[in-house]
Amino acid sequence: AQSVTQLGSHVSVSEGALVLLRCNYSSSVPPYLFWYVQYPNQGLQLLLKYTTGATLVKGINGFEAEFKKSETSFHLTKPSAHMSDAAEYFCAVSTNTGNQFYFGTGTSLTVIP
Amino acid sequence: GAVVSQHPSRVICKSGTSVKIECRSLDFQATTMFWYRQFPKQSLMLMATSNEGSKATYEQGVEKDKFLINHASLTLSTLTVTSAHPEDSSFYICSARDPGRPTEAFFGQGTRLTVV
Repeated sequence: AQSVTQLGSHVSVSEGALVLLRCNYSSSVPPYLFWYVQYPNQGLQLLLKYTTGATLVKGINGFEAEFKKSETSFHLTKPSAHMSDAAEYFCAVSTNTGNQFYFGTGTSLTVIP
Repeated sequence: GAVVSQHPSRVICKSGTSVKIECRSLDFQATTMFWYRQFPKQSLMLMATSNEGSKATYEQGVEKDKFLINHASLTLSTLTVTSAHPEDSSFYICSARDPGRPTEAFFGQGTRLTVV
């Protein structure tokens, strides 16, 4: 079975500051890991994903995440926050056997000018 | 990238009526589609998995007679909320699986359902 835990339902950062959104997962098989962003009343947009290979994954809008198997983590980072980054972020886990996604509870990112 | 179109984006209906939400894969054939429900400030909860040409598989606690899912073609799945009540008000999101890109899920824009 798979599950995802996102620590911190709300994160506030100043514009230009580092963004760090935490995600830990549980999976009995090698996981596929994803970060999605959701703006109000919209669907989910893929930021980045890890399936195999390089553990540091770069995504859109300057975001990146690192898969750390020993820590069962897939934290999302961005060096410098922009006002447009304010949104809801979801971490998700899947596997190569079913493509069913399990989502974390989400983290609401606020960027302070 | 793959495009999934969900319609309508917003719908308001009266209690007791039924509402149909459509989910279309525009540039790929989706053998599997997923329906999620999202309550305010919460995560997405999987309601059901639909496979083209067969019955949907519902998650525990989801009433299959209330949330009718039809996946009649490789590009269209529909979710019908029957005899809607105010507690059915929510944000519904579909996603589709492209067999050619099995590691990803492509999401629709979501439908905000309000039952009055």
